[in-house]
Amino acid sequence: DGGITQSPKYLFRKEGQNVTLSCEQNLNHDAMYWYRQDPGQGLRLIYYSQIVNDFQKGDIAEGYSVSREKKESFPLTVTSAQKNPTAFYLCASRDLLGFNSPLHFGNGTRLTVT
Amino acid sequence: DQQVKQNSPSLSVQEGRISILNCDYTNSMFDYFLWYKKYPAEGPTFLISISSIKDKNEDGRFTVFLNKSAKHLSLHIVPSQPGDSAVYFCAASEGSQGNLIFGKGTKLSVKP
Repeated sequence: DGGITQSPKYLFRKEGQNVTLSCEQNLNHDAMYWYRQDPGQGLRLIYYSQIVNDFQKGDIAEGYSVSREKKESFPLTVTSAQKNPTAFYLCASRDLLGFNSPLHFGNGTRLTVT
Repeated sequence: DQQVKQNSPSLSVQEGRISILNCDYTNSMFDYFLWYKKYPAEGPTFLISISSIKDKNEDGRFTVFLNKSAKHLSLHIVPSQPGDSAVYFCAASEGSQGNLIFGKGTKLSVKP
């Protein structure tokens, strides 16, 4: 079954600790994205990558970092510099070669920082 | 400043009736629009899209209408079913490969 796997589903961390969220896809998509969802808010773009070893900041990149060493993987690190890290994090991928191809999302990781 | 707006946070509809979800946008460069459906604690799933060269796109019970002059699109679900109860997000981009900008979502409740 092709899809996007995010792990873990729930993650708890103490304030001041960095934490890395995993995202793996087997859809052979070139582009991958990280979004954040807060209650009553839409999805806001954190980082995206359209090719291996390259990535771009989205609208709310401060306090986050990413890497794209492999096509299948796009991990997100929430650093201690992120002021409000508690949120629902969604990873997505997209086939850039397809005409009008939509984003495919994983099932998300809920991060709680106390 | 919100470029994609869904002004109704919630909508309640009786089973079998029509659900109409609305979305407005401000960026006239947007030319590709999508609707996603999201259940709690899950990722959004793609429902239907429309490009600016069309004003209507249909897929089964779901129809999206685009009014470019009003910068407005709507999603019609007919007939509505209890399983349609979810949060619906409208999204837009410049070009089909541009980054998607999402609205805040509308929570649809379909009552049996």
